[in-house]
Amino acid sequence: AQKITQTQPGMFVQEKEAVTLDCTYDTSDPSYGLFWYKQPSSGEMIFLIYQGSYDQQNATEGRYSLNFQKARKSANLVISASQLGDSAMYFCAMREGRGDYKLSFGAGTTVTVRA
Amino acid sequence: GAVVSQHPSWVICKSGTSVKIECRSLDFQATTMFWYRQFPKQSLMLMATSNEGSKATYEQGVEKDKFLINHASLTLSTLTVTSAHPEDSSFYICSARLSTPGSYNEQFFGPGTRLTVL
Repeated sequence: AQKITQTQPGMFVQEKEAVTLDCTYDTSDPSYGLFWYKQPSSGEMIFLIYQGSYDQQNATEGRYSLNFQKARKSANLVISASQLGDSAMYFCAMREGRGDYKLSFGAGTTVTVRA
Repeated sequence: GAVVSQHPSWVICKSGTSVKIECRSLDFQATTMFWYRQFPKQSLMLMATSNEGSKATYEQGVEKDKFLINHASLTLSTLTVTSAHPEDSSFYICSARLSTPGSYNEQFFGPGTRLTVL
């Protein structure tokens, strides 16, 4: 079974608007971490934001915020005030508390910001 | 901080030759590094987990004799693709786990190596 599901293959967003990228996850482990990474066309993976399963508040990092709904097992990424440089592929990933620190990645969502 | 480099950034080789890719954590020590493979417009596929001073742990379906991994120091892991064939052409990305106090044990990724086997 897929551990991370990203249902949006591609999205367009107007510059300066906000965009929400969906991510749902599946785990029976009570201890887990959720990550979002950005991959521009250059190929590098850039860490954006982290949410721990026991964190009470939603994570925020600058223009990035994570809408964590534990009961629904969703961890959507919100990018506010989109910029042209935000055009990239975005991956949601999960690390379960098994001690091996491996990440399970979703299929990714391509975001294109329009001027 | 938390910079990971990879070398080379791209390589073209003939079928049957071996290619070595280096992954270095530049400003932190990494007891654990990971190697991924990514096909165009697809997600990252974990190939193996590399722990300093011990044998790598390979994911199911990954040939350990073909993809040799060495993690000889806390800042360097290498992936050698032996007897490369055209189907090995791909984008290979390494990552290093940051385990300092206050970190999320997040993985920081190298810029990737594009391998083309002719």
